[in-house]
Amino acid sequence: GESVGLHLPTLSVQEGDNSIINCAYSNSASDYFIWYKQESGKGPQFIIDIRSNMDKRQGQRVTVLLNKTVKHLSLQIAATQPGDSAVYFCAHRGGSNYKLTFGKGTLLTVNP
Amino acid sequence: DTEVTQTPKHLVMGMTNKKSLKCEQHMGHRAMYWYKQKAKKPPELMFVYSYEKLSINESVPSRFSPECPNSSLLNLHLHALQPEDSALYLCASSQDRDAGYTFGSGTRLTVV
Repeated sequence: GESVGLHLPTLSVQEGDNSIINCAYSNSASDYFIWYKQESGKGPQFIIDIRSNMDKRQGQRVTVLLNKTVKHLSLQIAATQPGDSAVYFCAHRGGSNYKLTFGKGTLLTVNP
Repeated sequence: DTEVTQTPKHLVMGMTNKKSLKCEQHMGHRAMYWYKQKAKKPPELMFVYSYEKLSINESVPSRFSPECPNSSLLNLHLHALQPEDSALYLCASSQDRDAGYTFGSGTRLTVV
């Protein structure tokens, strides 16, 4: 079956540092990936997505890297700020359906 | 309008009650979703509606009954729930399979 997992459940960084959150997936048919940020008491907030025909995609202060060979996804946050503190989930969709499967989540804490 | 609106935000219900959760979006998205999220866990897919038709039911107990009256609305009817059904219920929508899924803020459900 499908699984999407994370290597690190928690990550603590200093304000201004760069953060890297990792995610592994097992379904080789996965072709669409999304990173979400979820703050306490709120729903997941879309950060950035990437399709399987790409290796890298950049947004504002964020970069997603996709390594299909080892089935690994990462989210890089530049100049991390206290407002970035949240739980970050990777999610993927595989096959020709609408099912989006979430990974376990990483709690990012930014220390001032 | 780029939001998914869920009501109510909080709901406390007894095990013999019947209640409904509501979700609304006006982005023209043709797919809508219900997810369940327990504390410190990732969201888990329950149902998917595509073009107002149920396309995925993740073996959800019949005490949860989804309904899609039109392309903008999604309901989740609740009946005879158990305390273990207490969770954050999230609604999401997407234009299609390969577009970012937009989530609402959720309904915090407590079954007593």
